Amino acid sequence: DTGVSQNPRHKITKRGQNVTFRCDPISEHNRLYWYRQTLGQGPEFLTYFQNEAQLEKSRLLSDRFSAERPKGSFSTLEIQRTEQGDSAMYLCASSQRRRDRDEQYFGPGTRLTVT
Amino acid sequence: KQEVTQIPAALSVPEGENLVLNCSFTDSAIYNLQWFRQDPGKGLTSLLLIQSSQREQTSGRLNASLDKSSGRSTLYIAASQPGDSATYLCAVLRDSGAGSYQLTFGKGTKLSVIP
Repeated sequence: DTGVSQNPRHKITKRGQNVTFRCDPISEHNRLYWYRQTLGQGPEFLTYFQNEAQLEKSRLLSDRFSAERPKGSFSTLEIQRTEQGDSAMYLCASSQRRRDRDEQYFGPGTRLTVT
Repeated sequence: KQEVTQIPAALSVPEGENLVLNCSFTDSAIYNLQWFRQDPGKGLTSLLLIQSSQREQTSGRLNASLDKSSGRSTLYIAASQPGDSATYLCAVLRDSGAGSYQLTFGKGTKLSVIP
């Protein structure tokens, strides 16, 4: 078990470009989450997958954002036509709900800078 | 809508001191509560999880308590060390009956332990 991994760790892009991030969850976890964190704030929820099904999306997830989890394994988060306001740390987490307990484990994050 | 507040926003203590971080939440219908540590520019490390039916959890020098009815949790750190310097985040998971799986975070307490 190597924990949750995310790639790339850093991404610098110009406004208007598309970017894609990848998350590999802990292997036995069927739940996967994306969060976004800006400086001085706690993470904010973006979306949730159970296996391959996307079951919950935040209002923060505008039409420019899309997330997938094909085959219920890794997940990708794509941002189209990036804006400077998209600059943030994008965090992925995974979990496996057990009786009365659902502990989310986070990856190292992808820091996006839009210039 | 669940809101999580952490007090204080920042705390500076001399090495060896015991300290308490506070977290409050507005909706007591929670599934569990997690305390995380975040180092600058890094992802989140889960420190402790308290199930809704529990009153406290301990791990080494850390002790977390939960009073669900009053919407409060505390994180107690004994004999603080410079390596404890980080931002500590509190997050609550709504009760599964509400059909939501997102963690709601506070803004964190930035702790500095002075040698």
